Amino acid sequence: AQSVTQPDIHITVSEGASLELRCNYSYGATPYLFWYVQSPGQGLQLLLKYFSGDTLVQGIKGFEAEFKRSQSSFNLRKPSVHWSDAAEYFCAVAPNYGGATNKLIFGTGTLLAVQP
Amino acid sequence: EAGVTQFPSHSVIEKGQTVTLRCDPISGHDNLYWYRRVMGKEIKFLLHFVKESKQDESGMPNNRFLAERTGGTYSTLKVQPAELEDSGVYFCASSQGLSYNEQFFGPGTRLTVL
Repeated sequence: AQSVTQPDIHITVSEGASLELRCNYSYGATPYLFWYVQSPGQGLQLLLKYFSGDTLVQGIKGFEAEFKRSQSSFNLRKPSVHWSDAAEYFCAVAPNYGGATNKLIFGTGTLLAVQP
Repeated sequence: EAGVTQFPSHSVIEKGQTVTLRCDPISGHDNLYWYRRVMGKEIKFLLHFVKESKQDESGMPNNRFLAERTGGTYSTLKVQPAELEDSGVYFCASSQGLSYNEQFFGPGTRLTVL
Protein backbone atom coordinates (compact mmCIF):
# COMPACT_ATOMS: atom_id res chain seq x y z
CA ALA A 1 0.00 0.00 0.00
CA GLN A 2 1.11 3.53 -0.67
CA SER A 3 2.38 5.43 2.35
CA VAL A 4 4.14 8.64 3.25
CA THR A 5 6.57 8.97 6.14
CA GLN A 6 7.55 12.19 7.82
CA PRO A 7 10.04 11.05 10.45
CA ASP A 8 10.19 14.35 12.32
CA ILE A 9 7.08 15.06 14.37
CA HIS A 10 8.35 18.33 15.81
CA ILE A 11 11.24 20.58 14.75
CA THR A 12 12.48 23.81 16.29
CA VAL A 13 14.75 26.17 14.39
CA SER A 14 16.01 29.66 15.03
CA GLU A 15 14.79 32.50 12.87
CA GLY A 16 17.16 32.97 9.97
CA ALA A 17 18.43 29.40 10.10
CA SER A 18 18.00 26.97 7.25
CA LEU A 19 15.32 24.31 7.29
CA GLU A 20 14.91 20.85 5.85
CA LEU A 21 11.80 18.74 6.44
CA ARG A 22 12.03 15.11 5.45
CA CYS A 23 9.52 13.08 3.49
CA ASN A 24 9.78 9.53 2.20
CA TYR A 25 7.14 7.69 0.23
CA SER A 26 6.39 4.12 -0.60
CA TYR A 27 4.94 3.62 -4.03
CA GLY A 28 5.64 1.39 -7.01
CA ALA A 29 5.83 4.08 -9.65
CA THR A 30 6.81 7.72 -9.41
CA PRO A 31 3.86 9.37 -7.76
CA TYR A 32 2.83 12.95 -7.85
CA LEU A 33 4.19 14.68 -4.76
CA PHE A 34 3.02 17.66 -2.76
CA TRP A 35 3.86 19.75 0.27
CA TYR A 36 1.09 21.52 2.16
CA VAL A 37 1.28 23.90 5.10
CA GLN A 38 -1.34 24.54 7.74
CA SER A 39 -1.12 27.66 9.87
CA PRO A 40 -3.23 27.88 13.03
CA GLY A 41 -6.91 28.35 12.22
CA GLN A 42 -6.32 28.03 8.48
CA GLY A 43 -6.90 25.35 5.91
CA LEU A 44 -4.08 23.47 4.24
CA GLN A 45 -2.28 25.57 1.64
CA LEU A 46 -0.31 24.07 -1.23
CA LEU A 47 3.37 25.05 -1.09
CA LEU A 48 4.61 23.17 -4.13
CA LYS A 49 4.15 20.05 -6.22
CA TYR A 50 6.19 17.69 -8.36
CA PHE A 51 4.80 15.88 -11.37
CA SER A 52 7.79 15.27 -13.61
CA GLY A 53 10.83 16.97 -15.12
CA ASP A 54 13.27 19.03 -13.09
CA THR A 55 13.68 17.33 -9.74
CA LEU A 56 14.14 20.62 -7.88
CA VAL A 57 10.84 22.46 -7.64
CA GLN A 58 10.23 25.96 -6.39
CA GLY A 59 7.18 26.87 -4.39
CA ILE A 60 5.60 29.80 -2.64
CA LYS A 61 7.02 31.59 0.38
CA GLY A 62 10.60 30.80 -0.61
CA PHE A 63 10.30 27.03 -0.22
CA GLU A 64 11.77 24.44 -2.53
CA ALA A 65 11.78 20.65 -2.60
CA GLU A 66 13.95 18.07 -4.27
CA PHE A 67 12.69 14.76 -5.61
CA LYS A 68 15.22 11.93 -5.30
CA ARG A 69 13.96 8.78 -6.93
CA SER A 70 16.78 6.60 -5.61
CA GLN A 71 15.89 7.54 -2.03
CA SER A 72 12.11 7.77 -2.54
CA SER A 73 12.34 11.17 -0.91
CA PHE A 74 10.86 14.61 -1.44
CA ASN A 75 12.41 16.85 1.20
CA LEU A 76 11.31 20.42 1.72
CA ARG A 77 13.88 23.16 2.24
CA LYS A 78 14.11 26.84 2.97
CA PRO A 79 17.42 28.72 3.25
CA SER A 80 16.31 31.21 5.89
CA VAL A 81 13.29 30.65 8.12
CA HIS A 82 10.99 33.49 9.17
CA TRP A 83 8.89 33.53 12.34
CA SER A 84 5.77 33.39 10.15
CA ASP A 85 6.85 29.96 8.88
CA ALA A 86 5.83 28.40 12.20
CA ALA A 87 3.10 25.96 11.17
CA GLU A 88 2.47 22.30 10.48
CA TYR A 89 3.80 20.87 7.23
CA PHE A 90 2.38 17.88 5.41
CA CYS A 91 3.89 15.84 2.63
CA ALA A 92 1.39 14.10 0.37
CA VAL A 93 1.26 11.69 -2.54
CA ALA A 94 -1.37 11.32 -5.23
CA PRO A 95 -0.94 7.77 -6.44
CA ASN A 96 -3.72 7.94 -9.00
CA TYR A 97 -3.17 11.46 -10.25
CA GLY A 98 -5.02 12.17 -13.47
CA GLY A 99 -7.32 9.25 -12.91
CA ALA A 100 -10.92 9.34 -11.94
CA THR A 101 -10.10 10.47 -8.46
CA ASN A 102 -7.23 12.48 -7.07
CA LYS A 103 -7.28 11.43 -3.46
CA LEU A 104 -4.21 12.45 -1.53
CA ILE A 105 -2.26 10.26 0.89
CA PHE A 106 -0.67 12.32 3.62
CA GLY A 107 2.16 11.90 6.06
CA THR A 108 1.62 12.53 9.75
CA GLY A 109 2.91 16.08 9.54
CA THR A 110 5.86 17.98 10.99
CA LEU A 111 5.18 20.79 13.43
CA LEU A 112 7.68 23.60 12.99
CA ALA A 113 8.45 26.03 15.78
CA VAL A 114 10.60 29.09 15.13
CA GLN A 115 12.67 30.62 17.92
CA PRO A 116 13.46 34.34 17.83
CA GLU B 1 -13.11 34.92 -4.12
CA ALA B 2 -14.28 33.07 -1.02
CA GLY B 3 -12.37 29.96 -0.08
CA VAL B 4 -13.68 26.64 1.14
CA THR B 5 -15.76 27.13 4.26
CA GLN B 6 -16.76 24.59 6.87
CA PHE B 7 -19.33 24.71 9.62
CA PRO B 8 -19.16 24.38 12.53
CA SER B 9 -15.54 25.03 13.40
CA HIS B 10 -15.90 22.97 16.56
CA SER B 11 -18.45 20.44 17.76
CA VAL B 12 -18.60 18.60 21.05
CA ILE B 13 -21.17 15.81 21.35
CA GLU B 14 -21.92 12.79 23.50
CA LYS B 15 -21.34 9.27 22.27
CA GLY B 16 -24.46 8.04 20.50
CA GLN B 17 -25.57 11.47 19.31
CA THR B 18 -25.73 12.64 15.72
CA VAL B 19 -23.63 15.37 14.18
CA THR B 20 -23.76 16.94 10.74
CA LEU B 21 -20.79 18.76 9.29
CA ARG B 22 -21.15 21.11 6.37
CA CYS B 23 -18.73 22.12 3.64
CA ASP B 24 -19.20 24.90 1.10
CA PRO B 25 -16.69 24.52 -1.72
CA ILE B 26 -15.35 27.30 -3.87
CA SER B 27 -18.03 28.34 -6.33
CA GLY B 28 -17.79 26.43 -9.58
CA HIS B 29 -15.66 23.60 -8.22
CA ASP B 30 -17.08 20.27 -9.33
CA ASN B 31 -14.80 18.15 -7.16
CA LEU B 32 -15.34 17.98 -3.43
CA TYR B 33 -13.29 15.85 -1.05
CA TRP B 34 -13.64 14.94 2.60
CA TYR B 35 -10.63 14.02 4.71
CA ARG B 36 -10.21 13.28 8.41
CA ARG B 37 -7.32 13.61 10.82
CA VAL B 38 -7.49 11.64 14.02
CA MET B 39 -5.28 13.02 16.81
CA GLY B 40 -1.62 12.36 16.14
CA LYS B 41 -2.27 10.49 12.93
CA GLU B 42 -2.13 11.33 9.26
CA ILE B 43 -4.86 13.07 7.31
CA LYS B 44 -6.91 10.32 5.66
CA PHE B 45 -9.12 10.46 2.59
CA LEU B 46 -12.80 9.72 3.15
CA LEU B 47 -14.55 10.33 -0.15
CA HIS B 48 -14.70 12.30 -3.38
CA PHE B 49 -17.74 13.86 -5.08
CA VAL B 50 -17.88 14.95 -8.68
CA LYS B 51 -20.81 17.30 -8.70
CA GLU B 52 -23.52 15.37 -6.85
CA SER B 53 -22.14 11.90 -7.56
CA LYS B 54 -19.85 9.90 -5.30
CA GLN B 55 -16.76 9.16 -7.37
CA ASP B 56 -14.81 7.35 -4.67
CA GLU B 57 -15.99 6.51 -1.18
CA SER B 58 -13.33 3.95 -0.39
CA GLY B 59 -12.15 5.82 2.69
CA MET B 60 -15.47 5.97 4.53
CA PRO B 61 -14.88 4.10 7.80
CA ASN B 62 -18.30 2.46 8.18
CA ASN B 63 -22.00 2.92 7.59
CA ARG B 64 -22.36 5.36 10.47
CA PHE B 65 -20.99 7.98 8.10
CA LEU B 66 -23.23 9.43 5.39
CA ALA B 67 -22.10 12.07 2.95
CA GLU B 68 -24.35 13.96 0.59
CA ARG B 69 -23.94 16.70 -1.95
CA THR B 70 -27.38 17.72 -3.09
CA GLY B 71 -27.41 19.79 -6.27
CA GLY B 72 -23.65 19.55 -6.57
CA THR B 73 -23.02 22.55 -4.35
CA TYR B 74 -22.44 22.22 -0.62
CA SER B 75 -21.87 18.89 1.06
CA THR B 76 -22.81 17.45 4.42
CA LEU B 77 -21.19 14.66 6.36
CA LYS B 78 -23.39 13.07 8.98
CA VAL B 79 -22.15 10.79 11.71
CA GLN B 80 -24.90 8.73 13.33
CA PRO B 81 -24.47 7.49 15.99
CA ALA B 82 -21.14 9.03 16.90
CA GLU B 83 -18.51 6.93 18.65
CA LEU B 84 -15.45 8.01 20.62
CA GLU B 85 -13.09 7.04 17.79
CA ASP B 86 -14.83 9.49 15.45
CA SER B 87 -13.16 12.40 17.22
CA GLY B 88 -10.78 14.33 15.02
CA VAL B 89 -10.56 17.15 12.52
CA TYR B 90 -12.64 16.80 9.37
CA PHE B 91 -11.32 18.66 6.36
CA CYS B 92 -13.11 19.47 3.16
CA ALA B 93 -11.35 20.33 -0.08
CA SER B 94 -12.53 21.32 -3.54
CA SER B 95 -10.97 21.51 -6.96
CA GLN B 96 -12.01 22.81 -10.33
CA GLY B 97 -12.73 20.84 -13.45
CA LEU B 98 -10.47 17.86 -14.00
CA SER B 99 -9.85 15.85 -10.87
CA TYR B 100 -6.09 16.44 -10.86
CA ASN B 101 -6.31 20.18 -10.38
CA GLU B 102 -5.13 21.66 -7.09
CA GLN B 103 -7.27 20.91 -4.09
CA PHE B 104 -8.14 23.91 -1.92
CA PHE B 105 -8.76 23.03 1.71
CA GLY B 106 -11.09 24.47 4.29
CA PRO B 107 -10.03 25.15 7.90
CA GLY B 108 -11.60 21.95 9.16
CA THR B 109 -14.21 21.04 11.76
CA ARG B 110 -12.86 19.75 15.05
CA LEU B 111 -15.21 17.04 16.35
CA THR B 112 -14.97 15.80 19.90
CA VAL B 113 -17.07 12.84 20.98
CA LEU B 114 -17.31 12.38 24.76
